[in-house]
Amino acid sequence: AQSVSQHNHHVILSEAASLELGCNYSYGGTVNLFWYVQYPGQHLQLLLKYFSGDPLVKGIKGFEAEFIKSKFSFNLRKPSVQWSDTAEYFCALEEDSNYQLIWGAGTKLIIKP
Amino acid sequence: DVKVTQSSRYLVKRTGEKVFLECVQDMDHENMFWYRQDPGLGLRLIYFSYDVKMKEKGDIPEGYSVSREKKERFSLILESASTNQTSMYLCASTGGGTDTQYFGPGTRLTVL
Repeated sequence: AQSVSQHNHHVILSEAASLELGCNYSYGGTVNLFWYVQYPGQHLQLLLKYFSGDPLVKGIKGFEAEFIKSKFSFNLRKPSVQWSDTAEYFCALEEDSNYQLIWGAGTKLIIKP
Repeated sequence: DVKVTQSSRYLVKRTGEKVFLECVQDMDHENMFWYRQDPGLGLRLIYFSYDVKMKEKGDIPEGYSVSREKKERFSLILESASTNQTSMYLCASTGGGTDTQYFGPGTRLTVL
């Protein structure tokens, strides 16, 4: 069955540290990949998405993610985090453009000021 | 901007009560979704609808039903609430050629 795995449930970093959140998926067909973010008390919102083309995708607030097909991975990165990046981050997979998303369990990121 | 609204932010109900959660979107989206969000489990799809009066079961439909009588409105119904349905419920919509799901603020339901 298709699945999305996020390696860390909780990540704690200091401001200015570099961030990488892992996301691996299992599905052999065409995929669209997403990272969503939920800031405390706010709606889930799209951070970035990959459909095709350049495997390095840039999103809002300085985030980027790299799609590595051979590794079935779509890791999220940011070179220097800020306290305002404290949030929960979800990786999601859409198979064959059918509008349904399969979600990872989420990673709670805490940035210490 | 797409706006997805949910009828309540917080709801407290008793076991056995019938519960209605309402979701409205203002972007004429064809597809609407109901999820529940639980710590460590991510989002799990309960039901989705791809058109008026059309519905499909998601991964965890048991104990829930849905209604989509108008394109902009998608209702989630708990026929007889149970304590294991205490959760955060999220509504989302997508359509118009975009795969991006737009979410409402969520309803935190507590069943006592």
